[in-house]
Amino acid sequence: QVRLQESGPGLVKPSQTLSLTCTVSGGSISGGNFYWSWIRQPAGKGLEWIGRIHSSGSIHHNPSLESRVTMSVDMSKNQFSLKLSSVTAADTAVYYCARDFVGAAGGTLYNWFDPWGQGTLVTVSS
Amino acid sequence: EIVLTQSPGTLSLSPGEGATLSCRASQRLTNTYLAWYQQKPGQAPRLLIYATSSRATGVPDRFSGNGSGTDFTLTISRLEPEDFAVYYCQHYGRSPFGPGTKVDV
Repeated sequence: QVRLQESGPGLVKPSQTLSLTCTVSGGSISGGNFYWSWIRQPAGKGLEWIGRIHSSGSIHHNPSLESRVTMSVDMSKNQFSLKLSSVTAADTAVYYCARDFVGAAGGTLYNWFDPWGQGTLVTVSS
Repeated sequence: EIVLTQSPGTLSLSPGEGATLSCRASQRLTNTYLAWYQQKPGQAPRLLIYATSSRATGVPDRFSGNGSGTDFTLTISRLEPEDFAVYYCQHYGRSPFGPGTKVDV
């Protein structure tokens, strides 16, 4: 059974870089149709997809965050990571990592997220 | 870019009642691979339904998904106390999630 666990600082100062790592256990981060995604949720609000990465290095971004997002995979540690630069209070949220199954049908892509990590709250404040 | 809207925003029901949640896409979904998630307070979302109508592992059969084109539904046949939560629909894209429907007592 695959499990995901986020880790990283819970408090980041404005203008600095938020860094999170997701550790995958119970399965390999390498190969197949699985990407690995980051999703965030401000308190009391809905879900916002940040981006996904494949072990091959393929990356898809949410265009609204793309200029500030860096993602990477460390297959030796079975981990993937997120860096979000120049943070402001608007980046305060619970950040989730999730396994992201991506497939194709009829020339278009589909996906679903399963499982999810438990989430980690990141607060941007001085 | 496809935008998902969900209705109603809040559904107030009692245990034992049935619930029908709606998810509407701004454009016809050519592959109709829609997913549904359940989120309880303080917890991560949990996949309930994928590919419009397939239940994820361990999901009770009182949950069912249906739809095509632009209109999709999640039906809960008889609400159990643990089903009161927020439900999100999701499709592939840059803004993949709908805004959610809260099922309230």
